[in-house]
Amino acid sequence: GENVEQHPSTLSVQEGDSAVIKCTYSDSASNYFPWYKQELGKRPQLIIDIRSNVGEKKDQRIAVTLNKTAKHFSLHITETQPEDSAVYFCAADFYNNNDMRFGAGTRLTVKP
Amino acid sequence: DAGVIQSPRHEVTEMGQEVTLRCKPISGHNSLFWYRQTMMRGLELLIYFNNNVPIDDSGMPEDRFSAKMPNASFSTLKIQPSEPRDSAVYFCASSFQAGTGVLNEQYFGPGTRLTVT
Repeated sequence: GENVEQHPSTLSVQEGDSAVIKCTYSDSASNYFPWYKQELGKRPQLIIDIRSNVGEKKDQRIAVTLNKTAKHFSLHITETQPEDSAVYFCAADFYNNNDMRFGAGTRLTVKP
Repeated sequence: DAGVIQSPRHEVTEMGQEVTLRCKPISGHNSLFWYRQTMMRGLELLIYFNNNVPIDDSGMPEDRFSAKMPNASFSTLKIQPSEPRDSAVYFCASSFQAGTGVLNEQYFGPGTRLTVT
């Protein structure tokens, strides 16, 4: 069936370094790609999203890039801070079902 | 708006008992999603409603699980009978879908932590 693959499953960086998380999707008709951050014991919350008519989007230290041909998209966090430590989920919509599927998540740890 | 509201926040029950989880979506949203989150399986979509109609329930694990949305402001997820492997955090999320293929941000509720002993 339709799915979203996410890598890596865990990522540890030093404060101030950059972090990159990558996802691939299978439905060529997908056109909405959100990223969610989930802190320990909390609910997932949207941090950035991108639609298929855009190749890149930035919001302060966070950016997302999309390659529709290759069917992959990435989250880039620059100048990481300890409060960036969380689990990050990518997701993609599936046109036929009109719903969303999530990646397995990446646990990011930013060491001070 | 208070956001998506879920109740109860925590539920501990014995195997074989019926469990009912409740969700109130954000007013004006027309799509509602039920997810289950575990360490082993991550965030799984169980069922999705659009305009109170179930659209995709392929994620519902088995017949013990059922979900309803009698109106635009209320949904339930029921497990009967419950089993220890149902222990998880269950999230409800809502969004406004502008049209076919036009999904928007999903707003998650705080979740219900279910423990079945």
